[in-house]
Amino acid sequence: DIHMTQSPSSLSASVGDRVTITCQASQGISRNLNWYQQKTGKAPKLLIYDASTLDTGVASRFSGSGSGTDFTFTISNLQPEDFATYYCQHYGNLPLRITFGPGTKVDVK
Amino acid sequence: QVQLQESGPGLVKPSQTLSLICTVSGASIDRGNYYWSWIRQSAGKELEWIGRIYTSGTASYNPSLKSRVTISRDTSRNQFSLELNSVTAADTAIYFCARGVVWLGNIWFDPWGQGTLVTVTS
Repeated sequence: DIHMTQSPSSLSASVGDRVTITCQASQGISRNLNWYQQKTGKAPKLLIYDASTLDTGVASRFSGSGSGTDFTFTISNLQPEDFATYYCQHYGNLPLRITFGPGTKVDVK
Repeated sequence: QVQLQESGPGLVKPSQTLSLICTVSGASIDRGNYYWSWIRQSAGKELEWIGRIYTSGTASYNPSLKSRVTISRDTSRNQFSLELNSVTAADTAIYFCARGVVWLGNIWFDPWGQGTLVTVTS
């Protein structure tokens, strides 16, 4: 089975900061890695798919990179509405696995 | 605009069956390259994929839950449903339905329903 680790589990930041979150797969997963934002009491919202493609309407301050086992998610200029929890997600079909990372909570410093 | 809405009992007794329905609007669940899925989130906040039903009607499940889960659909109502039997307190969670978008070997979830809290308690 492929295991996903995400770090850090939480971080404190200020508006305007650059925030970086990493997601690591236990074996190579090409670019089958997606990122979500979840605010308290809400459903997750897709931000990035295929490791680096922004979903329609997502602000350009969000970005993703990586392939294989190591992936990075970045918020370049943290805005007040960005305080939330972020999850990575992988899909694999041999065997079938859909796995979410444990999440990274971004809160106010 | 595609929208999903979960419905069902918020309380289920231990050993009984949890049953939820997801009603989809803005898209037909039997068209396109999509996997209509159930995902849950426990109080520990981790997201767990439960299973999915493809537009063809074929269902597949998380191996860790496979023995207890059934996902089916009613295309006349544009709904798909989840049944999880023999529930315990460990099944207490927020249950989301979501559309899985399939593209070149990847699947991502968009959009999601708002989620419904199901508590297993006697």
